Amino acid sequence: EPEVTQTPSHQVTQMGQEVILRCVPISNHLYFYWYRQILGQKVEFLVSFYNNEISEKSEIFDDQFSVERPDGSNFTLKIRSTKLEDSAMYFCASRRQGRPNQPQHFGDGTRLSIL
Amino acid sequence: QQQVKQSPQSLIVQKGGISIINCAYENTAFDYFPWYQQFPGKGPALLIAIRPDVSEKKEGRFTISFNKSAKQFSLHIMDSQPGDSATYFCAASINTGNQFYFGTGTSLTVIP
Repeated sequence: EPEVTQTPSHQVTQMGQEVILRCVPISNHLYFYWYRQILGQKVEFLVSFYNNEISEKSEIFDDQFSVERPDGSNFTLKIRSTKLEDSAMYFCASRRQGRPNQPQHFGDGTRLSIL
Repeated sequence: QQQVKQSPQSLIVQKGGISIINCAYENTAFDYFPWYQQFPGKGPALLIAIRPDVSEKKEGRFTISFNKSAKQFSLHIMDSQPGDSATYFCAASINTGNQFYFGTGTSLTVIP
């Protein structure tokens, strides 16, 4: 069964450094998402992306965050200047087009640790 | 504003018993209600989902009950097994297909 794959599985970064989290969505999916989950808390939406542009973003997704689909397969989340509170699991998700709503499929996440 | 409220926070059930997890939502525009199962170190995996035009959906041992007037939905796991031990999240979304609003999660432990 096709999967969403995320790399790296664990990223350790010094505070203030830039970090890029990478995702390869399922190949025929057109909608892409980033979520984060702070340890022991619920999954929170960051941003959704469709047709090469952001379609929705939460208040968490401030100017420090950006997303990009640099080629036909990768979907990246960049955090420009990391803060301690950015430490969390970051999940990428994707879904295919179709009505009614299709489910979002999640990767296994990248654990981001900011020192 | 918490869009989706989930309870209980944790649940311990004997093997063979019924596990029940409840969620309530506020936004009447929600029209898609999935349940996700998450094992440690893994991403959430879709378990079962329901739309508000039906009151119940069953897939194997998993059943969603949906009460549109009360704005509540619940997950029932029949004949619970130790392998069902995981964290369960309810979620809700609007038909635009954008963000999912997740509940706070329920840690289920099924003891042999």
